[in-house]
Amino acid sequence: EADIYQTPRYLVIGTGKKITLECSQTMGHDKMYWYQQDPGMELHLIHYSYGVNSTEKGDLSSESTVSRIRTEHFPLTLESARPSHTSQYLCASSPVLGQGAGTGELFFGEGSRLTVL
Amino acid sequence: AQTVTQSQPEMSVQEAETVTLSCTYDTSENNYYLFWYKQPPSRQMILVIRQEAYKQQNATENRFSVNFQKAAKSFSLKISDSQLGDTAMYFCAFILTARGGGSEKLVFGKGTKLTVNP
Repeated sequence: EADIYQTPRYLVIGTGKKITLECSQTMGHDKMYWYQQDPGMELHLIHYSYGVNSTEKGDLSSESTVSRIRTEHFPLTLESARPSHTSQYLCASSPVLGQGAGTGELFFGEGSRLTVL
Repeated sequence: AQTVTQSQPEMSVQEAETVTLSCTYDTSENNYYLFWYKQPPSRQMILVIRQEAYKQQNATENRFSVNFQKAAKSFSLKISDSQLGDTAMYFCAFILTARGGGSEKLVFGKGTKLTVNP
């Protein structure tokens, strides 16, 4: 089983609140990702990182921000949550292709389901 | 740009029967990996099966097997002896391996919702 953890699993908050979704992995993976997914729908890449101090925006524009100060930690922050941010957020990690067993496979956390009222 | 297409948004199958999920992809590159991921309701996304493009032999993992047709850019997933626990969203995904430098990203299809009926 993959060692990647997300907290909180469920969060219900009011509009305008600041929230941080935590993601940690203990596998030493260089690459980490945040996906946004509505229930039963496709995945949208919103942020990714290839290592410490590296962050990039993904294919779907998002008002959230991320940081990568430590290899194992990749938190996502919303400064002012709105109902349109209601969704599930999936964190994932992978080793760099060719390193060790790296084949591009992503390891996913259990997700953080955010509801903004 | 690379794309992955899953043409079946939803499918259903009776328990113990066999079902095949379709996936096609588009790339001009020759070296890549293909994956099928499973996302059960309210549970973690997990890898089901992986195929290296340079291998002609189709990958198998217990009841799961793929039909990899490189020339046709097709990568279907066959689930034999379907079980209730196979009910999930299934995502086909693809990543290039030739570029190096760690800049590759996984490209996902939109998913197929599979329901296994008792």
